Amino acid sequence: EDQVTQSPEALRLQEGESSSLNCSYTVSGLRGLFWYRQDPGKGPEFLFTLYSAGEEKEKERLKATLTKKESFLHITAPKPEDSATYLCAVQVGYGQNFVFGPGTRLSVLP
Amino acid sequence: GAVVSQHPSRVICKSGTSVKIECRSLDFQATTMFWYRQFPKQSLMLMATSNEGSKATYEQGVEKDKFLINHASLTLSTLTVTSAHPEDSSFYICSAASRQGYTDTQYFGPGTRLTVL
Repeated sequence: EDQVTQSPEALRLQEGESSSLNCSYTVSGLRGLFWYRQDPGKGPEFLFTLYSAGEEKEKERLKATLTKKESFLHITAPKPEDSATYLCAVQVGYGQNFVFGPGTRLSVLP
Repeated sequence: GAVVSQHPSRVICKSGTSVKIECRSLDFQATTMFWYRQFPKQSLMLMATSNEGSKATYEQGVEKDKFLINHASLTLSTLTVTSAHPEDSSFYICSAASRQGYTDTQYFGPGTRLTVL
């Protein structure tokens, strides 16, 4: 069975304190791994797509990396506005099959 | 680019009435749209996958007669909650898939908060 887990479940950082969020997956036929950011009461906002091991993508203070078993979302010098839930998802198989992780709730304190 | 709208953003209705939620991809055509339900502090729960011009595929445990999905065009899908009851109160989110290479990126709408009294 395809599975996606995320750790930690919740993370509290001081402003400027860099850290990483983890997304581990056990799937067959990975086609792509996605990162989203979700603010309370809103729909998820697309951040990155990663396709193959070794790939990296950056956007402002965020950097996503991918290995054969997991992906990391590195947050450098976070600001309070980076506080959100970060969701990881994978697309598997030949159809439009997606598996979402449970998310990591990030709080950045001023 | 890749903007998805959802309407209404918030709806309050009486028990027994039906509510329709619209999901539109504004700047791209989406062959597939997804409908999710989300409970507080929980992840997304897929309800159904909708392809333009064909019947929706519902996830196990989702009543197709209760949650009617129509995907009339490449930019519009609707979810109708029929005979709504308080237990249907939730946050409903749609997404539209855009093919990029050999993956499909889902772009999400802002969500609809349904409250059934």
